Amino acid sequence: GIQVEQSPPDLILQEGANSTLRCNFSDSVNNLQWFHQNPWGQLINLFYIPSGTKQNGRLSATTVATERYSLLYISSSQTTDSGVYFCAAITGGFKTIFGAGTRLFVKA
Amino acid sequence: DVKVTQSSRYLVKRTGEKVFLECVQDMDHENMFWYRQDPGLGLRLIYFSYDVKMKEKGDIPEGYSVSREKKERFSLILESASTNQTSMYLCASRRGEKLFFGSGTQLSVL
Repeated sequence: GIQVEQSPPDLILQEGANSTLRCNFSDSVNNLQWFHQNPWGQLINLFYIPSGTKQNGRLSATTVATERYSLLYISSSQTTDSGVYFCAAITGGFKTIFGAGTRLFVKA
Repeated sequence: DVKVTQSSRYLVKRTGEKVFLECVQDMDHENMFWYRQDPGLGLRLIYFSYDVKMKEKGDIPEGYSVSREKKERFSLILESASTNQTSMYLCASRRGEKLFFGSGTQLSVL
């Protein structure tokens, strides 16, 4: 089945720094979604992005479906950005395949 | 906004107990899912349901069963809890291809 790999696995940033998280997928997917899991465990939808680029405030995402990767950009990071970032590839039918996540800690 | 509610935030059970985890969504979604989350492994699909009384096994169904008697409610059942089922359990419902998650239940089996 499809494999979803995220990098880096862990990331520590100083508040105000920028970062790029990467998600590679091994096969064609119907769609791709980015989530942020806050320190209390809640998974929050960030982007639903089959291709192209989307922006929401300090966050933006780009998916290049033909090259099978997606990037999540965080600019001017804040402590509230801490948590785990997951990408999830949606294949045909009901399957959503999650990567192992990138754990981000933003220091004040 | 879609609301997915899991009945317990934290749960502590003993080995061998029967455990029910409840999940309710308020948006009339047909598809609902149960995942477990373990460090370094991401989210793994246990079971999903695409309609009332319909269910399908996910990637790790062993030791679990599910029930969906009403569209809004999807229950995960651990028939005889074991210590290796200590985990964070996440329920989700889906509209189109977008998943919406509950806040999770951290289950500890002692």
